[in-house]
Amino acid sequence: EVQLVESGGGLVQPGGSLRLSCAASGFTFSNYAMHWVRQAPGKGLEYVSTISTNGDSTYYANSVKGRFTISRDNSENTLYLQMGSLRAEDMAVYYCARAGGTSSYTANDYWGQGALVTVSA
Amino acid sequence: DIVMTQSPDSLAVSLGERATINCKSSQSVLYSSNNKNYLAWYQQRPGQPPKLLIYWASTRESGVPDRFSGSGSGTDFTLTISSLQAEDVAVYYCQQYYSSPFTFGQGTRLEIK
Repeated sequence: EVQLVESGGGLVQPGGSLRLSCAASGFTFSNYAMHWVRQAPGKGLEYVSTISTNGDSTYYANSVKGRFTISRDNSENTLYLQMGSLRAEDMAVYYCARAGGTSSYTANDYWGQGALVTVSA
Repeated sequence: DIVMTQSPDSLAVSLGERATINCKSSQSVLYSSNNKNYLAWYQQRPGQPPKLLIYWASTRESGVPDRFSGSGSGTDFTLTISSLQAEDVAVYYCQQYYSSPFTFGQGTRLEIK
């Protein structure tokens, strides 16, 4: 069974940093591109970032470019999102999602339950 | 960036009736070399993560009931629920994965009339 479990969420002050993790199981992690998608309270889904299978290619939303870094450890079956210079508008539930295959250009077929990031003084 | 616009923002349909949700992209998401539309539909029930329903604009994900169907090409797409069930109450999103950033529509809230 495919499982994606996010962790690392919590309360952080504006300007602070936080690292989210997504532990993957039930599939060969290194064979799939991975994504981060977020959802502010009561709002819609917002694309955040994508990483290729080997980590060589990464993509970011304009709203997080230069502040967030996506990475992965295929030996540990874990996806990461390092978030810096956090703002109030970054407050959201962050979902990790699996791409439908090797390519980043596929739909997200499995999603984690999400990790809540709260940005407040 | 490709802008995805859904209509309507909310929709109330009687049980057993048809529900139709539209999605329009600001540029074509049809890749000519493979003739595939890079468009997905997701369902998000309250308190749950999104669930993939449709990909390549019209291919139903495994396990999704056949009352859900997707259609369209280029810039205009439709998600149809042929006979609404109570468990279909949710917010529905379209997403393009043709070019990064892989943008979502704003969502359509579907309720029972």
